Amino acid sequence: GESVGLHLPTLSVQEGDNSIINCAYSNSASDYFIWYKQESGKGPQFIIDIRSNMDKRQGQRVTVLLNKTVKHLSLQIAATQPGDSAVYFCAENIAGNTGKLIFGQGTTLQVKP
Amino acid sequence: GAGVSQSPSNKVTEKGKDVELRCDPISGHTALYWYRQSLGQGLEFLIYFQGNSAPDKSGLPSDRFSAERTGGSVSTLTIQRTQQEDSAVYLCASSQRVIDTTGELFFGEGSRLTVL
Repeated sequence: GESVGLHLPTLSVQEGDNSIINCAYSNSASDYFIWYKQESGKGPQFIIDIRSNMDKRQGQRVTVLLNKTVKHLSLQIAATQPGDSAVYFCAENIAGNTGKLIFGQGTTLQVKP
Repeated sequence: GAGVSQSPSNKVTEKGKDVELRCDPISGHTALYWYRQSLGQGLEFLIYFQGNSAPDKSGLPSDRFSAERTGGSVSTLTIQRTQQEDSAVYLCASSQRVIDTTGELFFGEGSRLTVL
């Protein structure tokens, strides 16, 4: 899950296993959600997005699940690879508040070979 | 260039000095964003420019912070009278469309600011 403190939560997985990264978003009026991946020393990169009228969306090796009832978002990564090691952020856009993506605190994913 | 370019990549300054951080967005992108990322933290929204519309400055933490975007392209973030708590990585991002159409912001690699 997401941390509210100063330290990012860390998820450690074995190479080849599936990873699930969780995010609790803040605003029930948010209508659009995005997952970003940030490697060390780089800017975040877009992974996958989902709108609030959906509860699941699949990409290549990644799936995003949205539970609006409990304001919860998750990112599933299949067959995790060493290159997946990074910090993962969820972000939300509040309906009508175009342009202001609100980012979560992030989760560090460590993949053990 | 092919991506969002930010300069300087690293800036060390003394408390009280002014700094300017520059962002060159991807050509043709109408939306430009500044975020701040403190060590081990998420991204904090600062300001957003969209085309010729008035910028959304609601995230600027104090009146020491300002930003402008000239000619709809290059943007400069200025921090006056820097304080130690301003130390962070300042990230710029651009997007071809408004954010509720696509979430694909293209980020630069950031400008790391250290205030001594």
